[in-house]
Formats: sequence, C-alpha cells, structure tokens
Amino acid sequence: AQSVTQLGSHVSVSEGALVLLRCNYSSSVPPYLFWYVQYPNQGLQLLLKYTSAATLVKGINGFEAEFKKSETSFHLTKPSAHMSDAAEYFCAVIWMDSSYKLIFGSGTRLLVRP
Amino acid sequence: DTAVSQTPKYLVTQMGNDKSIKCEQNLGHDTMYWYKQDSKKFLKIMFSYNNKELIINETVPNRFSPKSPDKAHLNLHINSLELGDSAVYFCASSQQGSNSPLHFGNGTRLTVT
Repeated sequence: AQSVTQLGSHVSVSEGALVLLRCNYSSSVPPYLFWYVQYPNQGLQLLLKYTSAATLVKGINGFEAEFKKSETSFHLTKPSAHMSDAAEYFCAVIWMDSSYKLIFGSGTRLLVRP
Repeated sequence: DTAVSQTPKYLVTQMGNDKSIKCEQNLGHDTMYWYKQDSKKFLKIMFSYNNKELIINETVPNRFSPKSPDKAHLNLHINSLELGDSAVYFCASSQQGSNSPLHFGNGTRLTVT
C-alpha cells in the first residue's frame, strides 16, 4: 500500500541550528510531493511543492526540500531555525494512480529552544 | 479576504445530535475537500467534490453527508453524532489538476459530549 512516513513525531533544535525533518514515501511511481505547516489552532499552509521540475525546491520562510528518487525521500531543511518556526509540519503526497488524493504523513512537531 | 472559510470555528454538542459545518471558498477553485484531523494530529481525507460532483468518498460512516450546492461551497452534515466524531474538520480547495496545492480553512473543532 502507498504510504508516507515522517520519522520522528517531535524534533527539537536550538534557535539558529539546522532544521531537518524527514519524509519518505513508498511507491515506484514518482509522486507529487508537498510540505505543509500548521501553526496552533490554524489550518495548513503550503510551504513548498515538488512537481517533477528541479529536485531542490525552495519554499517560504527559508525552507527547502530535496527530492531524491533513489531514496524515495523528500526531506525538509532550513539552515537556521527561528523561534517562529515552531509548528507542526506535514509531508504530503499525491500519487497519480490513486484518484489524485492528497495523503498526509503523521506530522512532525518542531520545537525551537532559545 | 479569507480564501477558505469554515463556520463554526468551535462546535460543542451532545451525542445523538445532528450538526452541520459550512465551507466556502472564494478562490474560484473547482475542487473542494473535507479532511478530519484526530487528536494525534493525523489528517485523513473524507470527501472530495469537483464542480459539485463527488469524486472521492473514503470509508466514512454514512452518518456523514457532504453537500455541494455550487462549486464554491461544500458543507458537511453529520447525523447521530458519536463521541468518536470529536476532531478538527478541515475544508480545503484546489484548482483541478494533480499537482495543484490545497488551500485549507482554519478548521472546525467538534467536541461531542
């Protein structure tokens, strides 16, 4: 079955440190990939998306993600964490052979320590 | 202007009641969705409509009935509410096309007591 896996339900970093949030998908069919962020008591906001153009995708708020087909991964990174980055981050995938449903990973809560 | 708006923001009700959540989008999108987010933050698609036609209907109890009067609105009606229905329900919309990102509303927190 097709699935999206986010390793680590919680990630804690110091302010100014590198942020790395992991996402792997299971499929032999290249999907469309997205990262969304959810701030407390709010809806989800698109950070970035991969749609088979450049493998390194830049998003809002200094985040970027790299699509690695050989590793079936789409990890999210940011060089320097800011306190305002603390939120829940969701990786999501659309497989073209699944009625174009957007399937979410289980989410990773990013905590930023002062 | 709010792109995807849901009402109400909070809904507290008793078991057995019937309730509705409304959703409207002013983005001109063709496709609208309902997602359920449980207490562990897991998001699962429930329904999707494209131009008022149901295109995705996941394994959701038939107590849940979406209604789309036009392509800018997708309402969710829930009959005979149960404790397990407590969750945050998100409406979303997108342009037709598999790589179009979804735009989400701010959610409706439903609490069934």
